[in-house]
Amino acid sequence: DADVTQTPRNRITKTGKRIMLECSQTKGHDRMYWYRQDPGLGLRLIYYSFDVKDINKGEISDGYSVSRQAQAKFSLSLESAIPNQTALYFCATGDRDLVVGEQFFGPGTRLTVL
Amino acid sequence: AQRVTQPEKLLSVFKGAPVELKCNYSYSGSPELFWYVQYSRQRLQLLLRHISRESIKGFTADLNKGETSFHLKKPFAQEEDSAMYYCALRTGANNLFFGTGTRLTVIP
Repeated sequence: DADVTQTPRNRITKTGKRIMLECSQTKGHDRMYWYRQDPGLGLRLIYYSFDVKDINKGEISDGYSVSRQAQAKFSLSLESAIPNQTALYFCATGDRDLVVGEQFFGPGTRLTVL
Repeated sequence: AQRVTQPEKLLSVFKGAPVELKCNYSYSGSPELFWYVQYSRQRLQLLLRHISRESIKGFTADLNKGETSFHLKKPFAQEEDSAMYYCALRTGANNLFFGTGTRLTVIP
C-alpha cells in the first residue's frame, strides 16, 4: 500500500548520532503510530498521535521523540542512537471512522546502530 | 496491564493439513482482538477481527472469553499461507497491543 511511505528504508549509523525517520501518508487518516519490531519481541508501540496536537508515549518511548508536522507527516527521532535501538521500525496510520483496530502499515525502515 | 501471548514462534505444517495458531490474552476490560499477517515482501496487514466473525482466506478465529483465547484456524493449509502472523488486542487507549508473532511455514 503506497499510501504510507517511510524514509529512509535502510540506515546505518554510529552510536551517539542523531537520526530521524520520516513517515508520510496520503490516506487522510488522523491517527499515526510508530512501532519497532525485534525478533522474538514482536511489534512494540513507541509513540502515537491521534491528531496534530495530540502526541502520546507508547510502551517503549525512552530514547525516542516524535514530531507531527502535519496530519500527513509523523517523524521519529533518536536523539543519541545506541546499538540496542537497532531494529525494524514501522509507521502506521488509522482513522477514527474506520473499524477500530485497522491500521495501515508502511514498508518499514531497517536501522542499524553500530 | 494487557498481555498477548503467542506461544509458538515457529510453526510448520504440510500443505492440506489443518493449522492452528494460538493466541491467549490477558486484559481487564472487554477484549477486542485481531489477527494481522505479514507475507514475504509485503506490508503488515489486517487479516481478521473477532467482531466481524468473518472468514478471510479460509481463516477463522473465535474469541473464547472463558479460556481468554483467540486462536486462528484453517482446515486446509496452503503454501501461500506461509507468513508471519500477529495477534493483537485493542487497548483502552484505542491502540493495538501486539503479541510476539508466529512464523507459519506450509511445507509443499
